[in-house]
Amino acid sequence: GQQVMQIPQYQHVQEGEDFTTYCNSSTTLSNIQWYKQRPGGHPVFLIQLVKSGEVKKQKRLTFQFGEAKKNSSLHITATQTTDVGTYFCSSARQLTFGSGTQLTVLP
Amino acid sequence: DGGITQSPKYLFRKEGQNVTLSCEQNLNHDAMYWYRQDPGQGLRLIYYSQIVNDFQKGDIAEGYSVSREKKESFPLTVTSAQKNPTAFYLCASSIVSGKAFFGQGTRLTVV
Repeated sequence: GQQVMQIPQYQHVQEGEDFTTYCNSSTTLSNIQWYKQRPGGHPVFLIQLVKSGEVKKQKRLTFQFGEAKKNSSLHITATQTTDVGTYFCSSARQLTFGSGTQLTVLP
Repeated sequence: DGGITQSPKYLFRKEGQNVTLSCEQNLNHDAMYWYRQDPGQGLRLIYYSQIVNDFQKGDIAEGYSVSREKKESFPLTVTSAQKNPTAFYLCASSIVSGKAFFGQGTRLTVV
């Protein structure tokens, strides 16, 4: 079946540094979604990308969908302590989630 | 989150017992999903349903059962056949291929 891999599994950054997580699929995706889960909480939808090469921004967050629609990335500029949590990508078709990247921001 | 309710929030089960986790949504979503999350791990799909009276197994369905008799409800039963049921269980709903809304989750502990 469809597999979605994410790297890195863990990332520790100093507050103010940038952060990037990558999502790779074994098959072409019709679209991809990103979610954030705060510690002890539940995943919350961030964004959906549909078009090949699409780039979307939400304040300090930049999301990209690869030209071949097999990979995606989430980049956070100048991290803040409020960015702490686990970021998941998901193939929207069956909500198959990647393993997630757990971000720790050190003050 | 946005009209999807899971109960209870915490659940303790003795070994050998079946337990049922509730998931209700009032978002009029056709699709509903159950996931299991272990500490520090990702979300693994247990079962999903895209229409009433129909559901499909996910990656880790063994030891679990579901029903979808109503659009609003998708209960999950953790049976005694599930060898390691202690985990955080998350229910979600969506329009098919749309963004998912998650419940607050149920933390199940076997005692």
